[in-house]
Amino acid sequence: DTEVTQTPKHLVMGMTNKKSLKCEQHMGHRAMYWYKQKAKKPPELMFVYSYEKLSINESVPSRFSPECPNSSLLNLHLHALQPEDSALYLCASRAAGAANEQYFGPGTRLTVT
Amino acid sequence: QKEVEQNSGPLSVPEGAIASLNCTYSDRGSQSFFWYRQYSGKSPELIMSIYSNGDKEDGRFTAQLNKASQYVSLLIRDSQPSDSATYLCAVRADRGSTLGRLYFGRGTQLTVWP
Repeated sequence: DTEVTQTPKHLVMGMTNKKSLKCEQHMGHRAMYWYKQKAKKPPELMFVYSYEKLSINESVPSRFSPECPNSSLLNLHLHALQPEDSALYLCASRAAGAANEQYFGPGTRLTVT
Repeated sequence: QKEVEQNSGPLSVPEGAIASLNCTYSDRGSQSFFWYRQYSGKSPELIMSIYSNGDKEDGRFTAQLNKASQYVSLLIRDSQPSDSATYLCAVRADRGSTLGRLYFGRGTQLTVWP
């Protein structure tokens, strides 16, 4: 089973709203990732968690706030977003160790109005 | 900066033909290579991984790796209209504290026409 789940599938929010994206995996993977993908572009890495600790932050604006409550869950808290933040937000996970693949969830399509 | 380049598309092939997708990478120390398929509006789906020089076959898909030339390719035999998608080449940074981050090419859009 290589399933990563994400909720919600779609989200429309105003620039003053606060919302959260949720990602869950039950594969025992200890590395989890948030990506942002704009149309016709490859996924762009935002954050990496390793063993529930934030390990990489790709200079993402503070209006995006990640959280890893436990080894199965990853959240992305959103506040005061801009219209240009509209994109597909992807969560991925990978088992620790070499030669292990990264699996993506279905994504959350975010529209900021 | 780790560069991953894919052959510019779009690529259009007739049903039943072989589709050939190519990718080069800049980091000679890279050890892990992946092909993801992404349908329009969907998330990337892992279809092949390859770690050693040579060919790796899985059904109609064959990945080829040549580390000396820093080149990885994906062949799709007997292409079907359902193979129409964007194919992303990804190279993993395997050295240092990179936590397995992937570097993606820009993708090649494949269309298989009936």
